[in-house]
Amino acid sequence: QSVLTQPPSVSGAPGQRVTISCTGSSSNIGAGYDVHWYQQFPGTAPNLLIYGSSNRPSGVPDRFSGSKSGTSASLAITGLQAEDEADYYCQSHDSSLSGWVFGGGTKLTVL
Amino acid sequence: EVQLVESGGGLVQPGGSLRLSCAASGFTFSSYWMHWVRQTPGKGLVWVSHINSDGSSTRYADSVKGRFTISRDNAKNTLYLQMNSLRAEDMAVYYCARDQGSGWNSWFDSWGQGTLVTVSS
Repeated sequence: QSVLTQPPSVSGAPGQRVTISCTGSSSNIGAGYDVHWYQQFPGTAPNLLIYGSSNRPSGVPDRFSGSKSGTSASLAITGLQAEDEADYYCQSHDSSLSGWVFGGGTKLTVL
Repeated sequence: EVQLVESGGGLVQPGGSLRLSCAASGFTFSSYWMHWVRQTPGKGLVWVSHINSDGSSTRYADSVKGRFTISRDNAKNTLYLQMNSLRAEDMAVYYCARDQGSGWNSWFDSWGQGTLVTVSS
């Protein structure tokens, strides 16, 4: 299993707000490493969505936001749209593993 | 525009070898750390390996340590992954990704389109 834990799936109706959690430990998120989020559509490469726990690259709508507290982080999506249906991954660095780590991914379904 | 284009994937028998390449353009390749990340079809992302900007430092996931070697040619703006002793569990789409951030506290801001490695007899 993945070092960072995400729920396998979340869902919401158009216009609603959903959150995706990412739980780590004292050797990664809890050690002060930032959390980053990626969005991936089927058959395509991942795309950076949030970096530095709460920053959006240019071009990412402000409907997407990130936060971090303790050993966990969250991605929030407000005003859910059909085009948001995708897989979402969190990522950080782990000092015990001396490497970069990902969550297992969360499939977002827009009802 | 940043572009990363992987190549070299294909079908290989268990125990065989393969070398992946990632051609970079649109940025100063020699200034950036780079990574390989893989994804088994239908599964999640897994970090594989890292190399610093001049190639003097590398890191590997435990699952590939001793079998895979990351390298780069800054004169050719190309990243490589030499994969030896391939196993069925190495079968995946392999992405190269550009590192961005501060030291180990970094993220992947650009990705290639991926190249599929199939390990089967």
